[in-house]
Amino acid sequence: DAGITQSPRYKITETGRQVTLMCHQTWSHSYMFWYRQDLGHGLRLIYYSAAADITDKGEVPDGYVVSRSKTENFPLTLESATRSQTSVYFCASRTANTDTQYFGPGTRLTVL
Amino acid sequence: SQKIEQNSEALNIQEGKTATLTCNYTNYSPAYLQWYRQDPGRGPVFLLLIRENEKEKRKERLKVTFDTTLKQSLFHITASQPADSATYLCALDMSTGGFKTIFGAGTRLFVKA
Repeated sequence: DAGITQSPRYKITETGRQVTLMCHQTWSHSYMFWYRQDLGHGLRLIYYSAAADITDKGEVPDGYVVSRSKTENFPLTLESATRSQTSVYFCASRTANTDTQYFGPGTRLTVL
Repeated sequence: SQKIEQNSEALNIQEGKTATLTCNYTNYSPAYLQWYRQDPGRGPVFLLLIRENEKEKRKERLKVTFDTTLKQSLFHITASQPADSATYLCALDMSTGGFKTIFGAGTRLFVKA
């Protein structure tokens, strides 16, 4: 029972580089989400997806791009990383029939 | 402006006591509220969900109350144990099945043996 996995778990990159964070879930959940978590802030929604090929912006989408060609994968790309994108990123998923989200273990990203 | 407030100071209690965590919100009318547990270096884990028409929900040693007049939820852990030490997040949703879950910053709980 793999559940929801994220890779890499840790990433250090430099300003201006492109970075892709991966998220994979084995439950065939329809909905998937990307959040960032910073000290003093709650989890903030970056993007979400209701199904394959359907994505929409959350609260803080600027500087990020997502895609969802397959139900089980939801990659998040930072097209040109900035220091302000240093954060812990969590992917989550849920079914269409429940309101409870299941979170991955997170990716700690540092942008130098 | 819309806000969710959880006590940013850590809560320290003795093993066996009841821990009570508070979640206050302003300018929201949530359809339901959830509580999650988060351990260091891990993702949040769902604990309880309570809907706007429910006053109280229980699960084992956990109890959640939801007062839409006071705009407040209380989360209780009875007979607390050191293993309950973690950060607890509250989260609001404006509608069932929605995509706009709003999370509080969390309260850190330490239970001393």
